Amino acid sequence: GAVVSQHPSWVICKSGTSVKIECRSLDFQATTMFWYRQFPKQSLMLMATSNEGSKATYEQGVEKDKFLINHASLTLSTLTVTSAHPEDSSFYICSARWLGRAYNSPLHFGNGTRLTVT
Amino acid sequence: GQQLNQSPQSMFIQEGEDVSMNCTSSSIFNTWLWYKQDPGEGPVLLIALYKAGELTSNGRLTAQFGITRKDSFLNISASIPSDVGIYFCAGQLGTYNNNDMRFGAGTRLTVKP
Repeated sequence: GAVVSQHPSWVICKSGTSVKIECRSLDFQATTMFWYRQFPKQSLMLMATSNEGSKATYEQGVEKDKFLINHASLTLSTLTVTSAHPEDSSFYICSARWLGRAYNSPLHFGNGTRLTVT
Repeated sequence: GQQLNQSPQSMFIQEGEDVSMNCTSSSIFNTWLWYKQDPGEGPVLLIALYKAGELTSNGRLTAQFGITRKDSFLNISASIPSDVGIYFCAGQLGTYNNNDMRFGAGTRLTVKP
């Protein structure tokens, strides 16, 4: 159980275009999903917290107009990188917490999306 | 915010050797978690610890939640090549709907056959 699917696993796009990344909880409902960014050989950096039916909460320094997050249902959150630039190239990972589990239940992660902006 | 100090940063060991890594924090956590990340993939949960002093095993992996709630260690016994990867510790306060999880910088493990 507790499977989180992320799509696509990799994407290459041109500067100025937008890219959408999907995060789905396959066998459980998640009121909260999180989006992380990971640079090579570094730990996960939290970008934003996505709550179903409400606006996402962004971490300091993360541009909300550039990284658009939508959490339309209990099983799907999307991250759209708008007007992508080469410096946006990174590994993006989502995670979800199982609704109904204890407040301290672990996060389960998707497999990540490698974004390359040319 | 809380800082997690994970050590060592990297380890190079021979197959069959035991491995130990740990995390310390300046603040207490209510949950300690250990994840493994393979190249190009997301972290996978290995062990979750919920009580101070708790010692939990998962196959060749053993982890403990420190008594002070400010530290945790992970041991891997009789390492094998597929243990290669990056191991992250994570501390969690446990406030629902908020991301109160903090990650260590990771321990990169290399196992030589």
